Amino acid sequence: GEDVEQSLFLSVREGDSSVINCTYTDSSSTYLYWYKQEPGAGLQLLTYIFSNMDMKQDQRLTVLLNKKDKHLSLRIADTQTGDSAIYFCAEKEGHTLSNNDMRFGAGTRLTVKP
Amino acid sequence: EAQVTQNPRYLITVTGKKLTVTCSQNMNHEYMSWYRQDPGLGLRQIYYSMNVEVTDKGDVPEGYKVSRKEKRNFPLILESPSPNQTSLYFCASSPETGLNTEAFFGQGTRLTVV
Repeated sequence: GEDVEQSLFLSVREGDSSVINCTYTDSSSTYLYWYKQEPGAGLQLLTYIFSNMDMKQDQRLTVLLNKKDKHLSLRIADTQTGDSAIYFCAEKEGHTLSNNDMRFGAGTRLTVKP
Repeated sequence: EAQVTQNPRYLITVTGKKLTVTCSQNMNHEYMSWYRQDPGLGLRQIYYSMNVEVTDKGDVPEGYKVSRKEKRNFPLILESPSPNQTSLYFCASSPETGLNTEAFFGQGTRLTVV
């Protein structure tokens, strides 16, 4: 089946940039998402990118998509301690009518040190 | 406030004792689904529902049942729980239509089966 892969851990210092990487295998992926999960909470959508885009910027967040290599990254500028969380990459094939399912990576635990 | 509500948040039970985890959404979403989250595996879909009385298996349906008698509710039923169902469970909902449909997640239910 299709896979979404992420490294499990990332540690940065406060004020540095964080880059979380994700690779996926489904070439028909139409939408790619980044979700954030804070301790004890559900998942919150951070941002998403449509597969015909290369980049999307939203305040401190920059998403880069390399469709040829099936590589997605999330860059957080000026990382703060409040950014410590688990970040999930997810992909969805947008044309299916049978299942609205997203496929998730295992999640990257970002730790921000003061 | 738009939300997905799961109950209970925490549950410890014994092997074989039937249990139900409730999920309710107030956004009039057609699509609802259940995921389990396990370390290193990310979120895996258990069951989903495209609308009332329409349910189907996800990636890991064994040992689970669901029902969708009303649009807002999508309970997850474990008829005979086993220790390998110890996990963190998330309910999610989203509109069926729309090119980009954000999934809204509940807070999660941490289930321990002893």
